[in-house]
Amino acid sequence: DTAVSQTPKYLVTQMGNDKSIKCEQNLGHDTMYWYKQDSKKFLKIMFSYNNKELIINETVPNRFSPKSPDKAHLNLHINSLELGDSAVYFCASSRTSSLFFGPGTRLTVL
Amino acid sequence: QQQVKQSPQSLIVQKGGISIINCAYENTAFDYFPWYQQFPGKGPALLIAIRPDVSEKKEGRFTISFNKSAKQFSLHIMDSQPGDSATYFCAARNSGAGGTSYGKLTFGQGTILTVHP
Repeated sequence: DTAVSQTPKYLVTQMGNDKSIKCEQNLGHDTMYWYKQDSKKFLKIMFSYNNKELIINETVPNRFSPKSPDKAHLNLHINSLELGDSAVYFCASSRTSSLFFGPGTRLTVL
Repeated sequence: QQQVKQSPQSLIVQKGGISIINCAYENTAFDYFPWYQQFPGKGPALLIAIRPDVSEKKEGRFTISFNKSAKQFSLHIMDSQPGDSATYFCAARNSGAGGTSYGKLTFGQGTILTVHP
């Protein structure tokens, strides 16, 4: 009965590869997000998605693209991975004020 | 103006002591101030939250104090326990409608709390 789930939990890949992280929420929330947490634990919002409206943090490279097949899913696709993309990526969802985070995906780019 | 400044970066407290984490903001459009707790290997989880129409909110050992005029809010953990050891994030939500700011939470930099037994 996990509220927000992500797969995989760990992802190790080579520079230049393309990878995806999947996210699903069973809370019936209408807004989903992707956050990046760096090695200093800083949480940075990357995207929010609500009813087909995508809001992008302008600092996010266009190699990152979220895709939502339905209201319960928001997957993150990353092209041409770079060393600096190594971080923990969190999916989250919300209806009103509170954010519910997934368990995170630790991405390591070698 | 969208920043939330959090201090200290790390905090060590003895069991039974009081842990205090402070946050300050500039944007008067912020209207909701949650605190999140994150254990190693887990996602952040909502701990407690306050709206600016009250000056204090208490839930068990956790209390938020809010000073609207000073644009500051703080988390107090009474009788701190080793199980409270985690990273704590304050955050603030922008109430402004439309644009890229609406509903978005801005997080502080995080405080790593260690409670020694």
